[in-house]
Amino acid sequence: NAGVTQTPKFQVLKTGQSMTLQCAQDMNHEYMSWYRQDPGMGLRLIHYSVGAGITDQGEVPNGYNVSRSTTEDFPLRLLSAAPSQTSVYFCASSYSSLTGELFFGEGSRLTVL
Amino acid sequence: AQKVTQAQTEISVVEKEDVTLDCVYETRDTTYYLFWYKQPPSGELVFLIRRNSFDEQNEISGRYSWNFQKSTSSFNFTITASQVVDSAVYFCALRSPSGGSNYKLTFGKGTLLTVNP
Repeated sequence: NAGVTQTPKFQVLKTGQSMTLQCAQDMNHEYMSWYRQDPGMGLRLIHYSVGAGITDQGEVPNGYNVSRSTTEDFPLRLLSAAPSQTSVYFCASSYSSLTGELFFGEGSRLTVL
Repeated sequence: AQKVTQAQTEISVVEKEDVTLDCVYETRDTTYYLFWYKQPPSGELVFLIRRNSFDEQNEISGRYSWNFQKSTSSFNFTITASQVVDSAVYFCALRSPSGGSNYKLTFGKGTLLTVNP
């Protein structure tokens, strides 16, 4: 009963390093998205995808890349980490773009020094 | 554009008290969906309820109830006889066509509920 699985759960990076946050879902959802959660800012959409091969930017896409080669996987890449990217990241998926509730992963806490 | 406002940043109650969390939303669409999520101290986001804009019937699930009023653009959440395990951050969220990003989920800033024994 996996649902949405994110890895790693914790990561510490130095400024300028790159890394990929992995996200996988086993519910055959077409819609997947990445959010970041910061104190006082709530949750903000970084990137989203409506199906394999289709991705687009959300509210705060700068500094992040995504790809969607399969329905199941939606990795988030930080090419050159900055302290402003210190945050908790959530991957989410849903079965419908408008009507469906989002199912969230457990979150990944990233610290950039 | 769409917006969700949760005016209560923090609420503190004593166990067994009833508590209502307020949510006011803005959208120009006639078809939209409203959600409530719970984020306990462990950090995960747990889906609680979904309501579409054409269904104004109030819903009750155990100690939880939701009051949806289109006339005031509100979707309030009441916990009856609160318990310590209800302590969490609660988020109201909106999904509508004019939100862009292929119906992104717009969240309020959240309300931190603390239930003291």
